[in-house]
Amino acid sequence: GAVVSQHPSWVICKSGTSVKIECRSLDFQATTMFWYRQFPKQSLMLMATSNEGSKATYEQGVEKDKFLINHASLTLSTLTVTSAHPEDSSFYICSARRLALEGDTQYFGPGTRLTVL
Amino acid sequence: LAKTTQPISMDSYEGQEVNITCSHNNIATNDYITWYQQFPSQGPRFIIQGYKTKVTNEVASLFIPADRKSSTLSLPRVSLSDTAVYYCLVGPLGARQLTFGSGTQLTVLP
Repeated sequence: GAVVSQHPSWVICKSGTSVKIECRSLDFQATTMFWYRQFPKQSLMLMATSNEGSKATYEQGVEKDKFLINHASLTLSTLTVTSAHPEDSSFYICSARRLALEGDTQYFGPGTRLTVL
Repeated sequence: LAKTTQPISMDSYEGQEVNITCSHNNIATNDYITWYQQFPSQGPRFIIQGYKTKVTNEVASLFIPADRKSSTLSLPRVSLSDTAVYYCLVGPLGARQLTFGSGTQLTVLP
């Protein structure tokens, strides 16, 4: 099956610092990856679409200068939360789009729990 | 992307068959129906995807009536470990993004 990993699985940081989260597709290449945010007891909210070799596309209301996305290769996308504040504390989940003969499916990483003190 | 409506929560007992229905009245001709499962503090896991009639895999079955305005995820003989949130999503293959609804919290009781 398709496997997507995220690192770190959890991180605690001080307010004002920056945090980088990595998303990797381990056994397939992904030209498109997605970043979601999920608050407790809520559904996933799409933040941005990460495209290999080009700029990310951000959803309305998501600050691109605060959430920096880099899709440097077909297997790696990174999300950097800059100048993090307590309200950025959330569960961040990435997904990678896998194209195959049998269909087109997004596979999700295990998520990263960010806590900003 | 077609909007979906699911029950907020469902309870079941171990060993029972669970059917979760999703309404998608505005489904488009080229839309597929996909179900994901999410455990607390984990990313969603793909369960099953279908276009019409019935699809079955080793985990679940997906029933889609002829008008495709709804679909039913069927989980045979659930166990406690099936307690999770189940999301129904509708969209075309190759959709650049997924829109998650509120999902259904399934609680399996002993």
